[in-house]
Amino acid sequence: QKEVEQDPGPLSVPEGAIVSLNCTYSNSAFQYFMWYRQYSRKGPELLMYTYSSGNKEDGRFTAQVDKSSKYISLFIRDSQPSDSATYLCAMSLGTGNQFYFGTGTSLTVIP
Amino acid sequence: AAGVIQSPRHLIKEKRETATLKCYPIPRHDTVYWYQQGPGQDPQFLISFYEKMQSDKGSIPDRFSAQQFSDYHSELNMSSLELGDSALYFCASSLLSNYNEQFFGPGTRLTVL
Repeated sequence: QKEVEQDPGPLSVPEGAIVSLNCTYSNSAFQYFMWYRQYSRKGPELLMYTYSSGNKEDGRFTAQVDKSSKYISLFIRDSQPSDSATYLCAMSLGTGNQFYFGTGTSLTVIP
Repeated sequence: AAGVIQSPRHLIKEKRETATLKCYPIPRHDTVYWYQQGPGQDPQFLISFYEKMQSDKGSIPDRFSAQQFSDYHSELNMSSLELGDSALYFCASSLLSNYNEQFFGPGTRLTVL
């Protein structure tokens, strides 16, 4: 079993929809939770990171962490065609420790 | 803003050959990470360096080695290449003090024939 599980999709939504992307994990020691966006043939781009449980908002993006359920989410409001990409969640135990990535969810926003 | 630079962007090698991938981190970043991403796979952590010293090690094969130089650039050396080594190799950099903001380069696509 992988440390981090993520539904690969594909997920297809109309422009303007709210998108919900999720990951679950098994290691309760994870403390840092990251979301990356990866366009085809490009490197992952950091969107947000959060520490421990709670919410964090940045523009149209909101990240949520529920450590009791070992579940994290990324919400995208007013989705745009330019949001079409693969979204990867990543987690780490703390400073100096490696990242554990999910397999990524492929998102297409239809104009 | 300057980003992580990787070279070459594409590399084609034959089985049993060697390959060297280079990574130039964002200026003032002191920590470099290497990841391998197979087709349709998530990035797998290989190894990381802080101030020229190995700081963490993941699923890096013994055939691979890496180092970080005094100018903070890093090289990943791969020997006795196998077909299964064909993948995208990403380098990321960060400040150790801001470890969770890793910035990824564009990757090197290695194809082993």
